[in-house]
Amino acid sequence: GQNIDQPTEMTATEGAIVQINCTYQTSGFNGLFWYQQHAGEAPTFLSYNVLDGLEEKGRFSSFLSRSKGYSYLLLKELQMKDSASYLCAVRESYNTDKLIFGTGTRLQVFP
Amino acid sequence: DGGITQSPKYLFRKEGQNVTLSCEQNLNHDAMYWYRQDPGQGLRLIYYSQIVNDFQKGDIAEGYSVSREKKESFPLTVTSAQKNPTAFYLCASRANLGEKLFFGSGTQLSVL
Repeated sequence: GQNIDQPTEMTATEGAIVQINCTYQTSGFNGLFWYQQHAGEAPTFLSYNVLDGLEEKGRFSSFLSRSKGYSYLLLKELQMKDSASYLCAVRESYNTDKLIFGTGTRLQVFP
Repeated sequence: DGGITQSPKYLFRKEGQNVTLSCEQNLNHDAMYWYRQDPGQGLRLIYYSQIVNDFQKGDIAEGYSVSREKKESFPLTVTSAQKNPTAFYLCASRANLGEKLFFGSGTQLSVL
């Protein structure tokens, strides 16, 4: 079956580093997306991985291991505005428009 | 500014009533989507459309209907057949297959 697992909640301190994990079991794989969503707002795109390795974009980095069915989002130099939910989503094949979303990880950053 | 506009922000439905959620985009995107978001669950796909005058059912299409008469517009009707409509509804679009989705700001639907 299709399954994407993320921790439900995480907490961290301003200025720290936090790693949000995502594991997936899907019938196929053709890319993994990370989105950020503040409460009651639209999700916004953070990163996309289709090949193994680390993609760095400013304070945010995303890692993918296809053989392990595993990804993580790394947030550095945490700021209060990073308090949000982080959604992991997998695209199963190259010719499909459908994404499978995880339940999201709610991150709270404390001063 | 280009983007996706959803309206209304909040909507209330009475028993036996159909309601329609609006989604308009000026990004010139071909594909549009409707997702439902419930607390503690991931986004679930209701319907999607890859081109004007064509649409496909997603994973939870029962009790919903859509139309795609114009490229810019993809309204969602929540019918009385949907017995548990209370949720946050998100509309999205994308430019090319496999590319990131752009989301609207959502509509919170509640039942009176």
